[in-house]
Amino acid sequence: IVLTQTPLSLSVTPGQPAAISCKSSQSLQDRAAKTYLYWYLQKPGQSPQLLLQEVSNRFAGVPERFSGSGSGTDFTLRISRVEAEDVGIYYCMQSIQLPLTFGGGTKVEIK
Amino acid sequence: QMQLVESGGGVVQPGRSLRLSCEASGFSFSTYGMQWIRQAPGKGLEWVAIITFGGSDQFYADSVKGRFTVSRDNPKNTLYLHMNSLRAEDTAVYYCAKDSVAGAPFYQYYGVDVWGQGTTVIVSS
Repeated sequence: IVLTQTPLSLSVTPGQPAAISCKSSQSLQDRAAKTYLYWYLQKPGQSPQLLLQEVSNRFAGVPERFSGSGSGTDFTLRISRVEAEDVGIYYCMQSIQLPLTFGGGTKVEIK
Repeated sequence: QMQLVESGGGVVQPGRSLRLSCEASGFSFSTYGMQWIRQAPGKGLEWVAIITFGGSDQFYADSVKGRFTVSRDNPKNTLYLHMNSLRAEDTAVYYCAKDSVAGAPFYQYYGVDVWGQGTTVIVSS
């Protein structure tokens, strides 16, 4: 399964919203209507960290300004008001089938 | 808190072998599947391998199949990645990571929720 993220990079003014798209070559929803799409953020010099699981469920400690939406093959990560600490590379990942795959990443910078 | 600490990286010549280790703490290691994910210099994330919570099933990316073996020692809370016939293209930071859902059967896969700090493998003559 190929995951295509857009845009490749994003420069955002603090306090402004941002959105990242992740499109899958196949549906990520199983027969039980569960969708295996995850979002990660890799801050500069750090390991990736989980933001959202199964499209829209925020992981423990993730701020409410991060939200996810979508279904089937089209997904979006939104940041309601970008903060300086949100800089880094965002990746989507699918786990509905092997091999597990990641999107190419979207680099978010602060203006 | 949940923690994963990788070790064993280093510089190795092409064709040689290396074993990575990942020590887990702060959670019930034996109830979670575990994964290895790597990141080549300046590149994105690449999934490498997964092992079920009991260790009976393992699956690999095509790029490492037949050369890498993932294993685990549950009493020691440790995950391993045995890498043979290393190639220049295996140069990367290798992360171990924990499944986000406990007790997943061999046919069910999940994203990961906890990552280690990574260990660097450089394959060069």
